[in-house]
Amino acid sequence: QKEVEQNSGPLSVPEGAIASLNCTYSDRGSQSFFWYRQYSGKSPELIMSIYSNGDKEDGRFTAQLNKASQYVSLLIRDSQPSDSATYLCAVLGYGGSQGNLIFGKGTKLSVKP
Amino acid sequence: DAGVTQSPTHLIKTRGQHVTLRCSPISGHKSVSWYQQVLGQGPQFIFQYYEKEERGRGNFPDRFSARQFPNYSSELNVNALLLGDSALYLCASSISGTNQETQYFGPGTRLLVL
Repeated sequence: QKEVEQNSGPLSVPEGAIASLNCTYSDRGSQSFFWYRQYSGKSPELIMSIYSNGDKEDGRFTAQLNKASQYVSLLIRDSQPSDSATYLCAVLGYGGSQGNLIFGKGTKLSVKP
Repeated sequence: DAGVTQSPTHLIKTRGQHVTLRCSPISGHKSVSWYQQVLGQGPQFIFQYYEKEERGRGNFPDRFSARQFPNYSSELNVNALLLGDSALYLCASSISGTNQETQYFGPGTRLLVL
């Protein structure tokens, strides 16, 4: 059973701080990783995708991938109250499971003004 | 460009009834995937369709079925509804549904079974 694990939180950070969200996955052969943001009552919205080991930066967001440790993280710099949401880590299946996104339960982030 | 659209937005049904949910993918996308999200959980994969063919199926009972039309829109059907089918049903589209492709989600259909 392929699994994606996230700390459910809630994670609370003050406005302007760095929020660090973590995710581990069980299938060592996984190649494609995604972070989605989901506001309460809304659908998931893509923030970042990452496929290679290392860091990938997009504005205030940085995704980090370490395939040897089977670990993906998302850093949010200069956190804003509007970043308060649930962050979903997802791993894309491959081979016979291609097209199947496997999600963690999500980490709820609260940014306090 | 329009994103993924889904209809209806909300639906209330009673146990034992049947429901049909609809999805239109982003223009140019040929793959549609369906997910079920219950409260407090991440989305769970139900089906993927590409070029009208089922490419993948998650661990859901046969009460769940889907199809894709020539214009790449898709329907998800659920028969003999149970209380536990109450959830947010999400449709996601991608160009061809293969590895390293991003899936973009529609707004979802919120189903309540009474």
